[in-house]
Amino acid sequence: VQLVQSGAEVKKSGESLKISCKASGYSVTSYWIGWVRQMPGKGLEWMGIIFPGDSDTRYSPSFQGQVTFSADKAISTAYLQWSSLEASDTAMYYCARRLVGATNVYNAFDIWGQGTMVTVSS
Amino acid sequence: QSALTQPPSASGSPGQSVTISCTGTSSDVANYNSVSWYQQHPGKVPKLLIYEVTKRPSGVPDRFSGSKSGNTASLTVSGLQAEDEADYYCSSYAGSNIVLFGGGTKLTVL
Repeated sequence: VQLVQSGAEVKKSGESLKISCKASGYSVTSYWIGWVRQMPGKGLEWMGIIFPGDSDTRYSPSFQGQVTFSADKAISTAYLQWSSLEASDTAMYYCARRLVGATNVYNAFDIWGQGTMVTVSS
Repeated sequence: QSALTQPPSASGSPGQSVTISCTGTSSDVANYNSVSWYQQHPGKVPKLLIYEVTKRPSGVPDRFSGSKSGNTASLTVSGLQAEDEADYYCSSYAGSNIVLFGGGTKLTVL
């Protein structure tokens, strides 16, 4: 079971970007995938979650309208995209799988991708 | 919603116990038994230690335990080891399918 994220990106302000998170070893249509931001030297921020089975999404109010989640269940991949990057988007972005138990879905992430570093210059 | 409040730092000597607090509000920590704790070593990926306030995923040592009282959750690390030196983050469900993280606590093993 693993999540493998796309490589580091260096972009300019105003450019668009789409990073990916490919799941393997489990059925991607049965688990929510979340996105977490970590700005340099700072803490974790919950951005939101997507259910690849039907692309249902939930965004943190802090990120609503700033980013877009999407998924392609045929290739077990979730995406995080920006239409116009800003320097303040410079951060490490993690995807993570929401924990599922025998009968419950929990608000915790048990499997994490290795992270994608996004650097935006102004 | 605001981030949950954690002390910026905590410390203890090897073998001792240390407790890290995570303070929220009546809308998150106090209202749901959905608090999690993560450990993150420098330059590494976060690791889930505790979920649903007290539950440990398989493979997490029982030296790590969680609890909650009112709007404050706590993580206790017993029998401190050098490898426990890391950043620790709490998170809590806050309703409407939203989760909040705490600001993080840097644990130093003296």
